[in-house]
Amino acid sequence: GAGVSQSPSNKVTEKGKDVELRCDPISGHTALYWYRQSLGQGLEFLIYFQGNSAPDKSGLPSDRFSAERTGGSVSTLTIQRTQQEDSAVYLCASSYRGTGMDGYTFGSGTRLTVV
Amino acid sequence: EDQVTQSPEALRLQEGESSSLNCSYTVSGLRGLFWYRQDPGKGPEFLFTLYSAGEEKEKERLKATLTKKESFLHITAPKPEDSATYLCAVCEDSSYKLIFGSGTRLLVRP
Repeated sequence: GAGVSQSPSNKVTEKGKDVELRCDPISGHTALYWYRQSLGQGLEFLIYFQGNSAPDKSGLPSDRFSAERTGGSVSTLTIQRTQQEDSAVYLCASSYRGTGMDGYTFGSGTRLTVV
Repeated sequence: EDQVTQSPEALRLQEGESSSLNCSYTVSGLRGLFWYRQDPGKGPEFLFTLYSAGEEKEKERLKATLTKKESFLHITAPKPEDSATYLCAVCEDSSYKLIFGSGTRLLVRP
């Protein structure tokens, strides 16, 4: 597609429920990244995919968070047993090269609110 | 520990009033420094990548410069449409992760 597409744009969920966030990167971009942006904070790295592999998952906050990528394209970030501190904007980005030095292209994000 | 600090946190300018935003960084080895613009409700939009001290890049009213410890984003004769949050990020040698600062919220009044 023309840009990075994320869905849903907004998600309100009850504490303890599971949520899935979807990212559709730019066609042909091999690298995909998930970041989290909390109110008033900078972007926090979560996970990096090169193709379908995730060489770096070091930013995932806990084992309640997981992500997968299929077909070298769409990625899903899953948060199990959501907590209020999970409330944030979850941003996905893709880049043509794995280094990201060509500049990431970000989606508009999913705003997650846990009540 | 790697760190990126942006200042000021917020900046109000009158249309046409030039100013600079600062990004100070501490990394063991810099692969690249990035500037992004973020509008409310949207993801960051890529502006520039700087690779080495002394490098400068320009785009319309924006000019980014880099030293060994900091980067400046100079805004010349800003317009209201330049209002946004400007984010700085660094990428360390042999890495692909961007480490972001907290951003500077810029408001340009007509």
